[in-house]
Amino acid sequence: DAGVIQSPRHEVTEMGQEVTLRCKPISGHNSLFWYRQTMMRGLELLIYFNNNVPIDDSGMPEDRFSAKMPNASFSTLKIQPSEPRDSAVYFCASSPTGGRQPQHFGDGTRLSIL
Amino acid sequence: GDSVTQMEGPVTLSEEAFLTINCTYTATGYPSLFWYVQYPGEGLQLLLKATKADDKGSNKGFEATYRKETTSFHLEKGSVQVSDSAVYFCARDRDDKIIFGKGTRLHILP
Repeated sequence: DAGVIQSPRHEVTEMGQEVTLRCKPISGHNSLFWYRQTMMRGLELLIYFNNNVPIDDSGMPEDRFSAKMPNASFSTLKIQPSEPRDSAVYFCASSPTGGRQPQHFGDGTRLSIL
Repeated sequence: GDSVTQMEGPVTLSEEAFLTINCTYTATGYPSLFWYVQYPGEGLQLLLKATKADDKGSNKGFEATYRKETTSFHLEKGSVQVSDSAVYFCARDRDDKIIFGKGTRLHILP
């Protein structure tokens, strides 16, 4: 079974550039989550969707961050403009329904903003 | 608010040693409890789970028992291997989300 697929695996870009991270959830999963992981802050939930609808974006750090889920099989997390403090590993996860169901994580995108 | 607290690492053990990683959770509602493991360069993977009091989750030699009276879900393994070196996260669900602890890094020495 294909798991959660994220692309790219690594991204290095200069500050000020637009960055787009992509995620394909497991087929049939109705919930999708975007996380950020850093040494300082650990794992932070940025935003999650149920049935393609954003439910809680209170973890999105600033207006520079935006996320979309145009259909059940694709989501993007965009940072514009990017800053060095955005450097982190970004994970996408999906689950069959919210709550009481374990989440399945992708392998992450390691983002470095120079 | 709802939270999960787990012991800080790193934890360093020799191969074949007994492992315990402590975890406690806030007792709001009747959460499901999880342990996730993260190997280097990978995302988190579900290791085991328990959905109600006194349930025991187990996988790959790891075990954890849902203790409602002590609001705990400690992870144990009788004999660790070098391949168990990873970061372990305790977690509970809340509504549609999962609340993760800060993670405990485990190093196993050969």
